[in-house]
Amino acid sequence: AQSVTQPDIHITVSEGASLELRCNYSYGATPYLFWYVQSPGQGLQLLLKYFSGDTLVQGIKGFEAEFKRSQSSFNLRKPSVHWSDAAEYFCAVGAAEYGNKLVFGAGTILRVKS
Amino acid sequence: DAGITQSPRHKVTETGTPVTLRCHQTENHRYMYWYRQDPGHGLRLIHYSYGVKDTDKGEVSDGYSVSRSKTEDFLLTLESATSSQTSVYFCAIRGAGGIYNEQFFGPGTRLTVL
Repeated sequence: AQSVTQPDIHITVSEGASLELRCNYSYGATPYLFWYVQSPGQGLQLLLKYFSGDTLVQGIKGFEAEFKRSQSSFNLRKPSVHWSDAAEYFCAVGAAEYGNKLVFGAGTILRVKS
Repeated sequence: DAGITQSPRHKVTETGTPVTLRCHQTENHRYMYWYRQDPGHGLRLIHYSYGVKDTDKGEVSDGYSVSRSKTEDFLLTLESATSSQTSVYFCAIRGAGGIYNEQFFGPGTRLTVL
């Protein structure tokens, strides 16, 4: 069965430091990949997505992610974190072969210290 | 922001009572989804709809039913609520086209079953 792993439950970084959030997936098909962010008490907002083409994708709020098929990974990065980036981040994966559904990772909670 | 509302936003109920949550969209999107969010599990799909009266099960559908009699409304019913159904419930919508189109999320409903 398809699965998505976010190995880090919590990450703490200093404001201004770089950030990388990991996402690994297990799919037998060509995946479509998404990163969402959730602020406390809010719904999920799309940061970026990948479905074809350039494997480095740019998103909103200065985030980027790189699709590495050989590693089954889609890691999210930001060169300089701001205090307002503190939130929970979810990786999600879908594939046409598996219908109109996404599978979400368990999430990574980002804390930003000043 | 995508036009998605959920009602109620908060609900406390007792074990054994029926509960219905409503998702309403103004985007005329074909696909609608119900997820539950629990710590350590991310979002898990309960049911989804791919058109009026067309629904399918997700990975955690036991104890839940859904109905979609109009494009804009997708109802989630807990026939007899249990404490294990205490969770935050999110509705999402997606336009026609491939799974590579992102899902847009509502603000969520926090349900507590005592």
